[in-house]
Parts: sequence; C-alpha cells; structure tokens
Amino acid sequence: DTGVSQNPRHKITKRGQNVTFRCDPISEHNRLYWYRQTLGQGPEFLTYFQNEAQLEKSRLLSDRFSAERPKGSFSTLEIQRTEQGDSAMYLCASSSAGGASEQYFGPGTRLTVT
Amino acid sequence: AQSVAQPEDQVKVAEGNPLTVKCTYSVSGNPYLFWYVQYPNRGLQFLLKYITGDNLVKGSYGFEAEFNKSQTSFHLKKPSALVSDSALYFCAADNTNAGKSTFGDGTTLTVKP
Repeated sequence: DTGVSQNPRHKITKRGQNVTFRCDPISEHNRLYWYRQTLGQGPEFLTYFQNEAQLEKSRLLSDRFSAERPKGSFSTLEIQRTEQGDSAMYLCASSSAGGASEQYFGPGTRLTVT
Repeated sequence: AQSVAQPEDQVKVAEGNPLTVKCTYSVSGNPYLFWYVQYPNRGLQFLLKYITGDNLVKGSYGFEAEFNKSQTSFHLKKPSALVSDSALYFCAADNTNAGKSTFGDGTTLTVKP
C-alpha cells in the first residue's frame, strides 16, 4: 500500500475557471476527508465521506465546492468559478471508520488562482 | 463547537534538552486527541493519540503526550530533542459524535544543534 495519493500536486488557474482534484485513499479505509490549509493555519475541515455517502459538509463551504466519492473508492473535489481566495493547499485524508481512528494524509494539491 | 488552541507559534530548544509543545482543547463529551507532524514538502503524519485509559500515551519517534482532563490539555513531550525533530506540529481533537477532527494552527518546533 502506497498511502494516500493526490493529483495534481500543483494547479494554477485563472479566476473564474473550474478545477477538479482527485484523491485516492488507502484501499481498506472507508472514511475520506477533505481539508483546506492556508499558510499559518491548521487544516480546515471541508467535507467527509463514509464509503460513498457524504456525511457532512462544512457550513463555510460555498455552493461552488462539490465533492464526490463514487463507489466508495477515490474522491474528487471540484471548485467552480474559482476566486483568488480559493488559493490554498487542499488536503485529502483517509481513515478507518470512527472518530477514534487516526487519519492518513496525502501530500496535498496546491491551488493558485491568478 | 469543537476548538483546539496551540498557544505557541514557535518553540525553540537545544538538542538533547526536553521539549514540550502545548495544546488545549474544547470538545463536548469524551475527547479523542491526536498529534500530527508535518515536515517540509511532506504530508501530515500521525504521531500519537489519546482515546481512553492511561493519561500518558506514547507514540512514534520517542514522543509522548499527557492528557489532563481538568486542564483540558494534551501537551506533546519528548525527553531529549533531536535536530531532526524540527518540524510543524499540529494538535487535533474529535469526539464520538463529530466524526471529524478539528486542528490547531500548529507550532513550529526548532531544535538547535
């Protein structure tokens, strides 16, 4: 098992464009999380899945953000009509079910909106 | 709402000295507490966790953490710091109902030779 992978590692886009990121979790993990991290801050929760079901979405997340996890395997995070404020590192993590389980993080996708 | 505070942005210690990185939390119910480490250009890595039981938990690379319920703290410690311990450390909290972790803003640890 190679751990959690994320693609692409870097994305530069112009304001107003749509972007999509992919996360491949550890295969036996049924929970998958998305976070956003900006410089000097800790990871900020965006959403999480238990298998294919999206169980929670942050109230801070605008309608421009959507995530899917078809068949409970990989997940995609799409940002529509990107804004400069969306520039951040987007982190994916996976874990076994339950809040007591530690999360395993991918390397992140760094988004720059120009 | 859950919250985690790491009161020190930076901690500097000399190699061989003990280190402490502080964390306090606010969680309803019984807390699940975690420490993660982030090295430059690498993802967050799990160090240790407290779920229940002994207040002193041991983790990777010689780190340990002490859970103090009355002070709502979960400080990370190591008896003898190494230069290679220099990194960014995050404390996180969860509970049985939340199902997701809330992270502190991180503490940069610098260990000087």
